Amino acid sequence: EPEVTQTPSHQVTQMGQEVILRCVPISNHLYFYWYRQILGQKVEFLVSFYNNEISEKSEIFDDQFSVERPDGSNFTLKIRSTKLEDSAMYFCASSSPGQGSLSYNSPLHFGNGTRLTVT
Amino acid sequence: GNSVTQMEGPVTLSEEAFLTINCTYTATGYPSLFWYVQYPGEGLQLLLKATKADDKGSNKGFEATYRKETTSFHLEKGSVQVSDSAVYFCALSAVDTGRRALTFGSGTRLQVQP
Repeated sequence: EPEVTQTPSHQVTQMGQEVILRCVPISNHLYFYWYRQILGQKVEFLVSFYNNEISEKSEIFDDQFSVERPDGSNFTLKIRSTKLEDSAMYFCASSSPGQGSLSYNSPLHFGNGTRLTVT
Repeated sequence: GNSVTQMEGPVTLSEEAFLTINCTYTATGYPSLFWYVQYPGEGLQLLLKATKADDKGSNKGFEATYRKETTSFHLEKGSVQVSDSAVYFCALSAVDTGRRALTFGSGTRLQVQP
């Protein structure tokens, strides 16, 4: 079964540094997402991406964050000038467009996450 | 705004016990409701879903019924196994507002003992 893959599985960085988290969505999916989970807290939506542009973003997704689909397979999350509070598990997800009225109910397929630790 | 509230864990049960994990939601309009499961070291996997009131989602022996009158979507299983040990997340998407993004609950850890 096709999977969403994320690399690296664990990233340690110093405060103020930039990190890029990488994801390879399922190949025929068209919607891409980033979520994060701070340890012990809720899974929070960051951003969704469709047709080479951001389609939704949360208030968490400020100018410190950016997303890109640099080629036909990768989907990246860049965090500039990392802060201690950016330490979290970051999940990538993708979904297919679905058909007609079912399009919004296409399930999200999640990767295993990247644990980001900012020291 | 939209929100999901789940019972806090961990929930510890013996094998073959009955499981209920409570989930209630607040949303404008008519959201779709989901349960996701996260096994140790893995990502979130869709367990079941329901898209309208009174729908029952089911998978792998788990069930949840979309109750609009009580704004609930409780997860149940009649007889749990050790392999069901995982973290369970209730979620909604406000499809009628055109938003695909999921709003998650805080997750409930289930531990099943042999």
